[in-house]
Amino acid sequence: RKEVEQDPGPFNVPEGATVAFNCTYSNSASQSFFWYRQDCRKEPKLLMSVYSSGNEDGRFTAQLNRASQYISLLIRDSKLSDSATYLCVVNREDSSYKLIFGSGTRLLVRP
Amino acid sequence: IAGITQAPTSQILAAGRRMTLRCTQDMRHNAMYWYRQDLGLGLRLIHYSNTAGTTGKGEVPDGYSVSRANTDDFPLTLASAVPSQTSVYFCASSDSSRGGDEQFFGPGTRLTVL
Repeated sequence: RKEVEQDPGPFNVPEGATVAFNCTYSNSASQSFFWYRQDCRKEPKLLMSVYSSGNEDGRFTAQLNRASQYISLLIRDSKLSDSATYLCVVNREDSSYKLIFGSGTRLLVRP
Repeated sequence: IAGITQAPTSQILAAGRRMTLRCTQDMRHNAMYWYRQDLGLGLRLIHYSNTAGTTGKGEVPDGYSVSRANTDDFPLTLASAVPSQTSVYFCASSDSSRGGDEQFFGPGTRLTVL
């Protein structure tokens, strides 16, 4: 079993739709959680960190459920520019070299 | 330079050849990393460096070596390339080695070993 698992998609949604991605992780001792965004043939970039209480950044909302060991990302009012691959990232310990990347969920937003 | 640069952008290499991928950052970050990204597997850490003068092994270090002579540069060397090292290689850096710090990635090097 992978340490971080994501549905690879693709999720194909119309502009304006709300879409949610889930991610599960296997290590209950994990400390930090992130969503990164990766455009086709580009480098990953941090979208947002995920906090225990949940957090929101504009149209993006991230939630963490430690008991069930999953993380979610909700995107409201999807834009064409949201088309990308979203990487779920979990830190096994409080060290940056312990980051575990999921293989990503691909989102396609159509006009 | 702004951020992280990598060179070359892409390379086709014959098996058995030696190759060094270059990575330079101008953010004065202490920690640097090398990842490889393969389809369906996500990014996997090859080597890392918490600060200049120190390096450590990641998840998939075999066949690769690194050095960190100064803060800005973190080259990755393939001593004798094999086809299984065909991948996209990303260099990254972070301000510190604390787990919550954002990692900034370079644009990547696409390497094909024939």
